Amino acid sequence: TQLLEQSPQFLSIQEGENLTVYCNSSSVFSSLQWYRQEPGEGPVLLVTVVTGGEVKKLKRLTFQFGDARKDSSLHITAAQPGDTGLYLCAGFRLTNAGGTSYGKLTFGQGTILTVHP
Amino acid sequence: SQTIHQWPATLVQPVGSPLSLECTVEGTSNPNLYWYRQAAGRGLQLLFYSVGIGQISSEVPQNLSASRPQDRQFILSSKKLLLSDSGFYLCAWDTGDNQPQHFGDGTRLSIL
Repeated sequence: TQLLEQSPQFLSIQEGENLTVYCNSSSVFSSLQWYRQEPGEGPVLLVTVVTGGEVKKLKRLTFQFGDARKDSSLHITAAQPGDTGLYLCAGFRLTNAGGTSYGKLTFGQGTILTVHP
Repeated sequence: SQTIHQWPATLVQPVGSPLSLECTVEGTSNPNLYWYRQAAGRGLQLLFYSVGIGQISSEVPQNLSASRPQDRQFILSSKKLLLSDSGFYLCAWDTGDNQPQHFGDGTRLSIL
C-alpha cells in the first residue's frame, strides 16, 4: 500500500508569516499534485510537479518535488487570510486496468491552514 | 469547457435506507470517473473508478456500489446505509494520459 504522509495536520498562523507543508512517501510517484479545498467544495488543483527536483511558483506559493520523486513541499510566503483552507497533496501513478489507463491518486491526510488577520 | 455536477449537495438519511448519488460530466467523452469519500478535514479515499460504461472497479470492500449506465454518468448506491457511511462524497473525472483529475463539489451525507 502506498502511503503519503502529510504534515503538519493543523497550522494556525498570523497574517504575514511564512509556512511550509510537507508530503513524504516511501514510494515513487509519476507526479505529485497539490490541491486546495474550501469547506463544502471539491478540491481544486493548484499545481502538478513531475520532474525530480522541480520547483514551481504560483504567486506566493512555492512547490518543490524531491529529487527521488518521493516527497514534496509547499511553502507559502507572507500568508494571508485568503490562504485559509485544507491543503492536500496527492501522488499520481498511471495504472492499467484491462488495457485502459486511469490515474490513481493517493492522498495525504491534509493540512488545515488557518491564517488570522 | 468541461463541467462536473454532483447532486444532491446535502443528504440526511436514516440507517437502513437506500442511497443514490449522481454525478455527471459534460464537455468530454469517455472520461475516467472516480468516487471518493472524505472524512472531515482529511484526505480522500478512493472508493470506485470506471474506465468505461459498465466497467466498475472497487478499491476497498464496503457497503456501497457504483454503476455507470452512460458514458458521462456515475452513480454511487447502497441498499442499506450504515452509520459509518456518513461522510463527504466526491466525484472526479480525468481523460487518462497523466492528466489531472477534476472534482465535483461533493455530497455531504449524514446518517441518523
